[in-house]
Amino acid sequence: KNQVEQSPQSLIILEGKNCTLQCNYTVSPFSNLRWYKQDTGRGPVSLTIMTFSENTKSNGRYTATLDADTKQSSLHITASQLSDSASYICVVSDWSGGSYIPTFGRGTSLIVHP
Amino acid sequence: DGGITQSPKYLFRKEGQNVTLSCEQNLNHDAMYWYRQDPGQGLRLIYYSQIVNDFQKGDIAEGYSVSREKKESFPLTVTSAQKNPTAFYLCASSIGTATEAFFGQGTRLTVV
Repeated sequence: KNQVEQSPQSLIILEGKNCTLQCNYTVSPFSNLRWYKQDTGRGPVSLTIMTFSENTKSNGRYTATLDADTKQSSLHITASQLSDSASYICVVSDWSGGSYIPTFGRGTSLIVHP
Repeated sequence: DGGITQSPKYLFRKEGQNVTLSCEQNLNHDAMYWYRQDPGQGLRLIYYSQIVNDFQKGDIAEGYSVSREKKESFPLTVTSAQKNPTAFYLCASSIGTATEAFFGQGTRLTVV
């Protein structure tokens, strides 16, 4: 069964500090990996998407890495801001029967304190 | 202004009643999805549709029904057969099933 595990479950940091969120997956065959940011009570918003051949992708202060051999990804947030407080969700998709089937992680809840 | 719109934002239902959640998109996307989100859990797929007049069950379709009569609309009905319907429901759409999904703002359903 495809699985996506995220760690830590929750994280508290001070404004201005960096942090790294982890995502391990067992999805096969791998199609792509996405990181989403979800503010409380809102829909998720895409941050990055990476395919098998990509190992780094940046979006402003967000940098995602992918190691397809070890099936691990990380999301690094640089110089955190209060607005970064949200849940960060890792989503890994496989390609099954002509359709892309995403598996969602449970998310990491990030709180940035002033 | 293109996007995906869910309504209402909050919905209360009495036990035993059916209720329909609305999802409309003007992005000209072929694929649409319904997910359920519970506290501490990842999103779980209820139904998805790759094209008008066609839809497929996801992982937790029991107690739910959908229709896709128009490309722009993918309403979800939560029936009385759904034993634990209180949750946050998210609708999404994408150009195709292999492309990025855009999410609506969600509907929080509470059974009272």
